[in-house]
Amino acid sequence: GEDVEQSLFLSVREGDSSVINCTYTDSSSTYLYWYKQEPGAGLQLLTYIFSNMDMKQDQRLTVLLNKKDKHLSLRIADTQTGDSAIYFCAESFRSQGNLIFGKGTKLSVKP
Amino acid sequence: DADVTQTPRNRITKTGKRIMLECSQTKGHDRMYWYRQDPGLGLRLIYYSFDVKDINKGEISDGYSVSRQAQAKFSLSLESAIPNQTALYFCATSAKDRGNQPQHFGDGTRLSIL
Repeated sequence: GEDVEQSLFLSVREGDSSVINCTYTDSSSTYLYWYKQEPGAGLQLLTYIFSNMDMKQDQRLTVLLNKKDKHLSLRIADTQTGDSAIYFCAESFRSQGNLIFGKGTKLSVKP
Repeated sequence: DADVTQTPRNRITKTGKRIMLECSQTKGHDRMYWYRQDPGLGLRLIYYSFDVKDINKGEISDGYSVSRQAQAKFSLSLESAIPNQTALYFCATSAKDRGNQPQHFGDGTRLSIL
């Protein structure tokens, strides 16, 4: 069955890089997504990567995908206090319409 | 995402009451979803609808029902609310696409059942 795992917490200092990791079990996933949830808000789509790509960069965000190990990571360069939020990874499948979400990683950025 | 609107934003009610949460979207998407979020459990899918005549149960549909009144509207009902249904509820939409299917979320409804 499908399962997406993330560590629950990450704490970094302002200005450092943050790396949030995610593992998934189903190799038939087509797209993998990163969402951000700020307190009191819904989930905001940050970025996504197609499963035949290894890397995608978008300003301070870098997504790395290792299909062999079924491992996805989100790197945030020069982390700011405004990056404090819960980050969810999710996968989709060509044969279905649903996303499978991880439980989310709470990122705390200390000044 | 202002294109996906949930009402009410907050609701406090008593055990046994019937509750309806509403979701409307202006994105023109065919697919709509209801999730609940609980601390430490992430998002769990309650129901989803691929079009007006296609409604499916998700992971945790017991105690809930839905109605897809139109392409743009998808409501979630709790027929007889119980305290363990206290949670943050999200509606989401996505386009009808077998490839890239990011979901777009509303701001959520915080529901408390006493």
